Amino acid sequence: NAGVTQTPKFQVLKTGQSMTLQCAQDMNHNSMYWYRQDPGMGLRLIYYSASEGTTDKGEVPNGYNVSRLNKREFSLRLESAAPSQTSVYFCASSDRGIAYEQYFGPGTRLTVT
Amino acid sequence: SQQGEEDPQALSIQEGENATMNCSYKTSINNLQWYRQNSGRGLVHLILIRSNEREKHSGRLRVTLDTSKKSSSLLITASRAADTASYFCATANFGNEKLTFGTGTRLTIIP
Repeated sequence: NAGVTQTPKFQVLKTGQSMTLQCAQDMNHNSMYWYRQDPGMGLRLIYYSASEGTTDKGEVPNGYNVSRLNKREFSLRLESAAPSQTSVYFCASSDRGIAYEQYFGPGTRLTVT
Repeated sequence: SQQGEEDPQALSIQEGENATMNCSYKTSINNLQWYRQNSGRGLVHLILIRSNEREKHSGRLRVTLDTSKKSSSLLITASRAADTASYFCATANFGNEKLTFGTGTRLTIIP
């Protein structure tokens, strides 16, 4: 099993460009999450999907959109990238819900210039 | 918003020694979890302790929880070079059951 996979691993964008970060899990988990990690800030929840067909905002949703394409895949879109969105983005999944053990992908390092 | 705050921010010890990290939080919790993150990698779940538990073990890891002091500690015994990583606590709060992560303790094991 690959677990949680994310593409791309690295990305550089110019301000105003758009892109989609892809995430997939092969553990048949119901719930999936997107976090960002910034130095000295810990991980902050951007959006989550408790089950296929549902999505909810997390702590820092502004500037992002998500799509739960099916049970396996959960994508994060930046419509108009800003330098403040420079960060490392992690996708995670869980089978027991958001308050329990989460499995993380390797991350996408995004730089917006 | 930060819930868990780890202490110390950084810790260096000799291989074979024990490492202790602490986490303090502000509001009532459902559970508290510890995660490890190796440099450039994603987080890996280590252990979950429920609010009605006081101590839990997993291999060389020992976690304690004191809900009266709103604090937890993670003890790694007989440390190894491979334990070099950042360690994060995460709390699941009653009524808002999302995980809130602290800023982490960076542990370095000196061979």
